[in-house]
Amino acid sequence: DIKMTQSPSALSASIGDSVILTCRASQPISNYLNWYQQKPGKVPKVLIYGATSLQTGVPSRFSGRGSGTSFTLTISNLQPEDFATYYCQQSDATPFTFGPGTKVDLK
Amino acid sequence: QITLKESGPTLVRPTQTLTLTCTVSEVSLSTSGVGINWIRQPPGKGLEWVALVYWNDDKRYNPSLKSRLTITKDTSKNQVVLTVTNVGPVDTATYFCAYQYYTGSEFDTWGQGALVTVSS
Repeated sequence: DIKMTQSPSALSASIGDSVILTCRASQPISNYLNWYQQKPGKVPKVLIYGATSLQTGVPSRFSGRGSGTSFTLTISNLQPEDFATYYCQQSDATPFTFGPGTKVDLK
Repeated sequence: QITLKESGPTLVRPTQTLTLTCTVSEVSLSTSGVGINWIRQPPGKGLEWVALVYWNDDKRYNPSLKSRLTITKDTSKNQVVLTVTNVGPVDTATYFCAYQYYTGSEFDTWGQGALVTVSS
């Protein structure tokens, strides 16, 4: 199985900040990396697919980079609605696997 | 707009079999490329991929659960059914079904989720 790790596990930030979330895969997954946002009690929502492509309707302050084993999600100009938990997920091979998540909360 | 909706019991006794149904609308399960996944999330914890069935009936399972899982699709009803045998408290979770278009793609659309508690 491909193991996904994320760092940090949690971070505190202020409105207007830029934050970078990191995801690593235990083996190369090309660009088969997706990012999801989940708020408490809500359904996960895809933000970025294929490592760098912005899902339709997602604000452009979200951006993804990376390939192979190392990936980042950048949130620029953090907004109140961005405080949530973010998961990366590899779709290169089954079993599909998620990272443990990064919780972004208000400083 | 594709929609998915999970249904099933909210409470299951230990050692029993859990059966969950995902009803899919606005896309046929026989359409080339369509995949329906089950993903679960224990309370307060992260996401765990469980199983997947593709349009061509190719089925994939999480190896850690495989011996207890069966996924099937009913194209006539446009439903996907997941069964989990011999459940225990560790199977307590919100179970989501999620749509994927072609292998390698993201989970594009999710159901609302169904909370299942395993308890005596």
